[in-house]
Amino acid sequence: DTGVSQNPRHKITKRGQNVTFRCDPISEHNRLYWYRQTLGQGPEFLTYFQNEAQLEKSRLLSDRFSAERPKGSFSTLEIQRTEQGDSAMYLCASSLVSGVRSTQYFGPGTRLTVL
Amino acid sequence: DQQVKQNSPSLSVQEGRISILNCDYTNSMFDYFLWYKKYPAEGPTFLISISSIKDKNEDGRFTVFLNKSAKHLSLHIVPSQPGDSAVYFCAATGAGSYQLTFGKGTKLSVIP
Repeated sequence: DTGVSQNPRHKITKRGQNVTFRCDPISEHNRLYWYRQTLGQGPEFLTYFQNEAQLEKSRLLSDRFSAERPKGSFSTLEIQRTEQGDSAMYLCASSLVSGVRSTQYFGPGTRLTVL
Repeated sequence: DQQVKQNSPSLSVQEGRISILNCDYTNSMFDYFLWYKKYPAEGPTFLISISSIKDKNEDGRFTVFLNKSAKHLSLHIVPSQPGDSAVYFCAATGAGSYQLTFGKGTKLSVIP
């Protein structure tokens, strides 16, 4: 399977704990995006990388959230001191820069539940 | 404020008939529009896209229409099949950013 992969698929944690999610993009894609989706809403943009550079961050990305893409391949999203409001599906997408606009392809997501 | 709106939370269609899903946007700087399909517990799957320089794009059973003056786009599925039952999201990008702005989705049910 050469699509976007995300691990873990599910994470249950207690409030105040730190969690880290991993995303492996489609191998030749140089852009990687993180989104968050809550019940009844569409995905909301969090941040994106072009290669290893983080180029855009949403105001949704509070200082408890940090994302990295150290070698321009896989990415991690860490949430520190989790809160119940962080419970959501965290989606990763990747795209290949080609022309003016490129299509983003999504992974299966990581479902986070904060108790 | 919501820049991409899908005003119908749900739609039911008989198998074999046409499904029409609608989307409105407010940001005139959006220049690329996409439709995604999502099954429960899975990530969104790309269906079809359209650039603002076009008014129609077709791919098999799926056609997207863009009316820039009305800031409106629609997805037509013909003929509808039970496997098309899913939540459909409209998304837009542009305005100097690569982020996608999504609507809240429309749940399509195709009845056999």
